[in-house]
Amino acid sequence: GQQLNQSPQSMFIQEGEDVSMNCTSSSIFNTWLWYKQDPGEGPVLLIALYKAGELTSNGRLTAQFGITRKDSFLNISASIPSDVGIYFCAGHLMEYGNKLVFGAGTILRVKS
Amino acid sequence: DVKVTQSSRYLVKRTGEKVFLECVQDMDHENMFWYRQDPGLGLRLIYFSYDVKMKEKGDIPEGYSVSREKKERFSLILESASTNQTSMYLCASSGVLGLHEQFFGPGTRLTVL
Repeated sequence: GQQLNQSPQSMFIQEGEDVSMNCTSSSIFNTWLWYKQDPGEGPVLLIALYKAGELTSNGRLTAQFGITRKDSFLNISASIPSDVGIYFCAGHLMEYGNKLVFGAGTILRVKS
Repeated sequence: DVKVTQSSRYLVKRTGEKVFLECVQDMDHENMFWYRQDPGLGLRLIYFSYDVKMKEKGDIPEGYSVSREKKERFSLILESASTNQTSMYLCASSGVLGLHEQFFGPGTRLTVL
């Protein structure tokens, strides 16, 4: 199936640091979504992006839909301990109907 | 507020048992999905449904079946559970026209002994 390359696989950062992660693909997407999954819970939608070049913020989180439509990034500013979790990107391709393609996730750990 | 619920958070079953995982959404969404999540493998789609009584296979349907008799409810069935089906199972739904945002339930951690 389709692949989304998400990096980094994991991060161990100091509280207060900024975090950046991204997803890339060889395919062109028309929607990018970013989710966060707390340990033992289901993923929660953080940000949805619908247009190439779109930059959207949600509190300390900022995500962008790449201009080529083949990538997206998520930034977290001034990380705090509750940012710990797994962050997933997901993309929608027209030919995939109602399905999404998911990245493998970025595990974020924060040192306080 | 969007709500997807799953019948159990934790489940322990024996090899060969028939297992039912239930998912209910209250958003009147057309589409519902079942995924399994394993370390290092991310989210893998098992089955999805785009309407009542309609279903399509995902990437890993072997060993599973589904049922969608009502719009709000989507069931995942393991006909004869095996140890390699020990996993986290996640249900999701989507349905706002033109958008593809999926909303997830809290997950069911299934252990097959």
